[in-house]
Amino acid sequence: QVQLVQSGAEVKKPGSSVRVSCKASGNSFSSHTITWVRQAPGQGLEWMGGIIPGFDTPNYAQRFQGRVTMTADASTTTAYMELSRLRSEDTAVYYCAAFSGSNDYWGQGTLLTVSS
Amino acid sequence: AIQMTQSPSSLSASVGDRVTITCRASQGIRNDLFWYQQKPGKAPNLLIYGASSLQRGVPSRFSGSGSGTDFTLTISDLQPEDFATYYCLQDHDYLQWTFGQGTTVEIK
Repeated sequence: QVQLVQSGAEVKKPGSSVRVSCKASGNSFSSHTITWVRQAPGQGLEWMGGIIPGFDTPNYAQRFQGRVTMTADASTTTAYMELSRLRSEDTAVYYCAAFSGSNDYWGQGTLLTVSS
Repeated sequence: AIQMTQSPSSLSASVGDRVTITCRASQGIRNDLFWYQQKPGKAPNLLIYGASSLQRGVPSRFSGSGSGTDFTLTISDLQPEDFATYYCLQDHDYLQWTFGQGTTVEIK
């Protein structure tokens, strides 16, 4: 069983960056694939990318290439997602999710509002 | 990247109905497919993994089928708590996953 707790809501200005954290507790952080998913208001789920802790090589959806950085620190069992050059269209709830086989665990979501 | 085309985008149904939602992959993905249910303000809830395996605790009125490019989620005997939005998610390519666009099941 894994519990994921994300950092709190953020308000950012266009052009700035944001870093969202996802603290895992429970079993075997490093054996899970950590992914990030976002959901803009009234829109569907969008997969952003993922990382396997310990492998240290994330993979990103093409539309986020060059703007997103995902890291995972096995020593603190915390994953991070940093999104740069923010624009209003990045306003969304950002979720981290951990996958292992048939199991998945989701954070509570972090609301990012991008507004001048 | 693999594209997932989900249909319909929305449907209206009554309690007790049988509902079918489909996802088509742009290339073969074997059975590397999840189905999720999402209710407003909540994180998605896993229903089906491996295209057809029922997640623990999920009612047996939910079922999944398909392999390769065409997949189906069926809800038999629709219950009031099943009115929600449903998504497919493929995890075939290494860390290049994609969701379908979602299907909202509304009360007729």
